[in-house]
Amino acid sequence: DAGITQSPRHKVTETGTPVTLRCHQTENHRYMYWYRQDPGHGLRLIHYSYGVKDTDKGEVSDGYSVSRSKTEDFLLTLESATSSQTSVYFCAISETGRTAGNEQFFGPGTRLTVL
Amino acid sequence: AQKVTQAQTEISVVEKEDVTLDCVYETRDTTYYLFWYKQPPSGELVFLIRRNSFDEQNEISGRYSWNFQKSTSSFNFTITASQVVDSAVYFCALSEGGANNLFFGTGTRLTVIP
Repeated sequence: DAGITQSPRHKVTETGTPVTLRCHQTENHRYMYWYRQDPGHGLRLIHYSYGVKDTDKGEVSDGYSVSRSKTEDFLLTLESATSSQTSVYFCAISETGRTAGNEQFFGPGTRLTVL
Repeated sequence: AQKVTQAQTEISVVEKEDVTLDCVYETRDTTYYLFWYKQPPSGELVFLIRRNSFDEQNEISGRYSWNFQKSTSSFNFTITASQVVDSAVYFCALSEGGANNLFFGTGTRLTVIP
């Protein structure tokens, strides 16, 4: 199994509060991703990183920011959580990007509930 | 625009039956990759297979097989002699040559009844 951990695994918070989710990898992979999973939508990309301090937006990036100061850590921040951000968040990593197949491995997920 | 369609929302089969999960994709790229992932009740996503657009050979891995047909833009997944442990949500995904992310279908929930 790919060495990917996510913390916390479960979180309940209130509308308007900031929330930070952490993804940590031990595989030294260059690419890291944040997805959210919602019923009827599958998984949708929020943001991704292609190197330290290099990030880009995905399909559903509004209301989220990310940071990557080290190869092994990728943080997802909800500056002011809303109920629509209640979801399961998955981190993923890949050794290569688009030019070589982009095979991704996923972390265990974080279940976030915004009340 | 890219798109992945998994028209079967839920499927139930009796143990030992064969079952095929359908995946139809849309892309304008000539270079792309297709994937299948399994999400068991425990919630994690497990990578099953990757196939690139230049390789239309079907693949078999134990009880699993995949049929890739560019002519119909389909990448179907068959489980032979299904088992209860196969019960999960299965996702098909597409990565285009110019994109850094995966585009997922909405998933098919497979229930194998003992």
